[in-house]
Amino acid sequence: GAVVSQHPSRVICKSGTSVKIECRSLDFQATTMFWYRQFPKQSLMLMATSNEGSKATYEQGVEKDKFLINHASLTLSTLTVTSAHPEDSSFYICSGSVNTEAFFGQGTRLTVV
Amino acid sequence: GQQLNQSPQSMFIQEGEDVSMNCTSSSIFNTWLWYKQDPGEGPVLLIALYKAGELTSNGRLTAQFGITRKDSFLNISASIPSDVGIYFCAGAWGAQKLVFGQGTRLTINP
Repeated sequence: GAVVSQHPSRVICKSGTSVKIECRSLDFQATTMFWYRQFPKQSLMLMATSNEGSKATYEQGVEKDKFLINHASLTLSTLTVTSAHPEDSSFYICSGSVNTEAFFGQGTRLTVV
Repeated sequence: GQQLNQSPQSMFIQEGEDVSMNCTSSSIFNTWLWYKQDPGEGPVLLIALYKAGELTSNGRLTAQFGITRKDSFLNISASIPSDVGIYFCAGAWGAQKLVFGQGTRLTINP
């Protein structure tokens, strides 16, 4: 399957600071990538659709000014959690698609203290 | 957001037993995907289904895309310890936007 690399795998930040998470497609080009959030023992919930060269599309209830998404190239999408708060602590996962199969990054465990 | 109805939520079985889990939806999908997630990792694709009625195998795994396009099942035969984890179904439309089930947590007693 296709490879999606996500970095960092874990990050701890202070409340009020911003954190950037990178998602790279290593062996394919992704015009569209997706960002998910997963709370402990729960399923993945789609946050936003990242579109190369254009604005991201956010799901209902997701604050676009808080979760900034940039998709400047066909192999890189970034998610920046701005002014992070403890309630933003979660597991964030990106995915890219080849045809109709979605492949996921390793995930980023964000802890805001 | 929308979720699929996945069952059972958890399973406790003996090594060597067969496993069956399923997902249902009120909406039609044109793709069904099954993933396995280990703790602290992203989901790994197991099987992808594209046609209603399609039955696909991947080693000891077998999955089917329901005729109505609103359901799918995953079977695991002769379970082994490394099968432990959380299994998710996901449905997709043409835009590749996935909707996930709640997950099935599989525990295997040796």
